[in-house]
Amino acid sequence: NAGVTQTPKFQVLKTGQSMTLQCAQDMNHNSMYWYRQDPGMGLRLIYYSASEGTTDKGEVPNGYNVSRLNKREFSLRLESAAPSQTSVYFCASMSGSANYGYTFGSGTRLTVV
Amino acid sequence: AQSVSQHNHHVILSEAASLELGCNYSYGGTVNLFWYVQYPGQHLQLLLKYFSGDPLVKGIKGFEAEFIKSKFSFNLRKPSVQWSDTAEYFCALPSGNTPLVFGKGTRLSVIA
Repeated sequence: NAGVTQTPKFQVLKTGQSMTLQCAQDMNHNSMYWYRQDPGMGLRLIYYSASEGTTDKGEVPNGYNVSRLNKREFSLRLESAAPSQTSVYFCASMSGSANYGYTFGSGTRLTVV
Repeated sequence: AQSVSQHNHHVILSEAASLELGCNYSYGGTVNLFWYVQYPGQHLQLLLKYFSGDPLVKGIKGFEAEFIKSKFSFNLRKPSVQWSDTAEYFCALPSGNTPLVFGKGTRLSVIA
């Protein structure tokens, strides 16, 4: 099925460990996004990539890095995980115009202990 | 910068009751507005969208929303809710080609 695929679905990390969240879309979309969702906070943008080869910071980029590996893939890396990064992470993609809305992945639930 | 406010954090309704969830935005330019729904344990799905034309927009599952420019509002409505509408609802808007800005969400609980 066409869509946005995120891996892993669940992860537990110890403080200070690193990990990469993977995201891939097969809809030939130009733009990709990483959001985090926390209770009562809605979705907050971490980083985005408007097109292959570009990345930009969002509202809450500290502690994260991203790579737009190619048009399909956009990964999010936590270099040294902290308990404050416990959250649900969603990747999304969009074709060319914001008029069409986003397609979201199923999310990664990350717990940092 | 644009912003979105959803004033209802948690709404509890009985089945068959009518629903209206508030969404107000702050942006002076041309707006495109979206409502997304997140069912328990799932990802966000597009419920409906407005970007021009008729200010009354109909979406999936009997939902509709009305864009009122003078009130900077885009409230979501449904005449008769069902237990399966239990979910969290998010209002969102972009500004041109910048990423979507989401409201904090409204959790809807529908009880039998």
